[in-house]
Amino acid sequence: DAKTTQPTSMDCAEGRAANLPCNHSTISGNEYVYWYRQIHSQGPQYIIHGLKNNETNEMASLIITEDRKSSTLILPHATLRDTAVYYCIVRSRNTGTASKLTFGTGTRLQVTL
Amino acid sequence: DGGITQSPKYLFRKEGQNVTLSCEQNLNHDAMYWYRQDPGQGLRLIYYSQIVNDFQKGDIAEGYSVSREKKESFPLTVTSAQKNPTAFYLCASSMWGTGGLDEQFFGPGTRLTVL
Repeated sequence: DAKTTQPTSMDCAEGRAANLPCNHSTISGNEYVYWYRQIHSQGPQYIIHGLKNNETNEMASLIITEDRKSSTLILPHATLRDTAVYYCIVRSRNTGTASKLTFGTGTRLQVTL
Repeated sequence: DGGITQSPKYLFRKEGQNVTLSCEQNLNHDAMYWYRQDPGQGLRLIYYSQIVNDFQKGDIAEGYSVSREKKESFPLTVTSAQKNPTAFYLCASSMWGTGGLDEQFFGPGTRLTVL
C-alpha cells in the first residue's frame, strides 16, 4: 500500500471549514484514499473514501487531485466535537482478503472557539 | 443496536501474567482485527481473521495469540512473552467479499497497563 504524508497538527476556528491535506505520491491505479478519525481515547471512526472522483457525505468532502497524488479532506463547518486525529490511508479495496489498514501518525486537528 | 464491544475498558495486570481481552460484534461481519496503539502513534495490526477458525498474523504478532471459534467473537491473549504489553488495544470488524463494503468499524478499546 502507498505511503501517505500528513501535517502533524492543524488548528481551525469553530464554524470555519477545516481543510486537511494528504500527500500520496506513490499511489497506484487500484488504490483508494480512505479517511478515518480518532477522538481521544476512542476507536477510529470511518469518514469517507474515494478513488478519483470527489466524494461528499454527511460528515465531509474528499477532494482528490487529477493526478491522484494528493487529496484534501474538508469538514465544511468544524465544531469542537471535530477535534481529533485524522488519518489518511491509501490501500487497495477489497482484494478478496481482509482489509488491512496501515495507520500513520495522522493530523491532530484542534478546533477552537 | 449493532456494534462492537470490548471489555473491560481498563485492565491492570502484573508482569508475567497472561491476560485475555474480549471483542464481540453483532454486525454479522466476517472479518475481525486486533490493533495496538502506543501514545502518540498510529495503529499497528496484531492479528486478523477473515472467517471462523482461521486467522493470520499482522505486523506485530509476537507475544500475542488469538482464536476465532465463533463469528461474533475474536479474543486476544497478551502473553508473558510480549515484552512491552502496556498499550491501548483496539478491535475492529468489516465485511469482505467481492463488491462488499469493507470499511472497518472499531470498538471503544481496552487500555491495558502491566505493573
